[in-house]
Amino acid sequence: AQSVSQHNHHVILSEAASLELGCNYSYGGTVNLFWYVQYPGQHLQLLLKYFSGDPLVKGIKGFEAEFIKSKFSFNLRKPSVQWSDTAEYFCAVTTNRDDKIIFGKGTRLHILP
Amino acid sequence: KAGVTQTPRYLIKTRGQQVTLSCSPISGHRSVSWYQQTPGQGLQFLFEYFSETQRNKGNFPGRFSGRQFSNSRSEMNVSTLELGDSALYLCASSPGYPMGTGELFFGEGSRLTVL
Repeated sequence: AQSVSQHNHHVILSEAASLELGCNYSYGGTVNLFWYVQYPGQHLQLLLKYFSGDPLVKGIKGFEAEFIKSKFSFNLRKPSVQWSDTAEYFCAVTTNRDDKIIFGKGTRLHILP
Repeated sequence: KAGVTQTPRYLIKTRGQQVTLSCSPISGHRSVSWYQQTPGQGLQFLFEYFSETQRNKGNFPGRFSGRQFSNSRSEMNVSTLELGDSALYLCASSPGYPMGTGELFFGEGSRLTVL
């Protein structure tokens, strides 16, 4: 069965530090990839998505993610984090096999001011 | 434009009871999907509805069911509640089908506690 792994469950960084959150999926076919974010007290919202084309996608608030097909990865990056980036981040994938969306278990990011 | 609205926001039930949760999608959105969020399992897909038909279903027992009305509003029902059903239930809407091709717009969720 398809699965999504987020290796870091809880990450703590200081402001201005660089961020990389890992996401790996298990499916050999065509995939659509997403990162969603849940800020404290707010609903989940889309950060960025990859369907096809340039494997480096840019999202809101300075986030970007790179799709590396050979590594089955879609890691989220940000060069310099801010306190307001404190949130829980979810990687998700849909496949051309079915349209079920599978989420990773999430990474809680805590930015120290 | 109003977002996805879920009711009730909080509810407490006892084992064996049943519960119905409601979701009103963003106006014009025809696809509604449901998710269970727990600390241990994260976000798990329950089912998706489009044009009043269930299009996809996750790996949950038959106690979990849902439906969609002609105005795209959706309800999900959990019968014979178990302690493990305590969770945040999220609803999401999207403009079209299949949901995997587009952005999901989430509601704030219904937090269910089973005692």
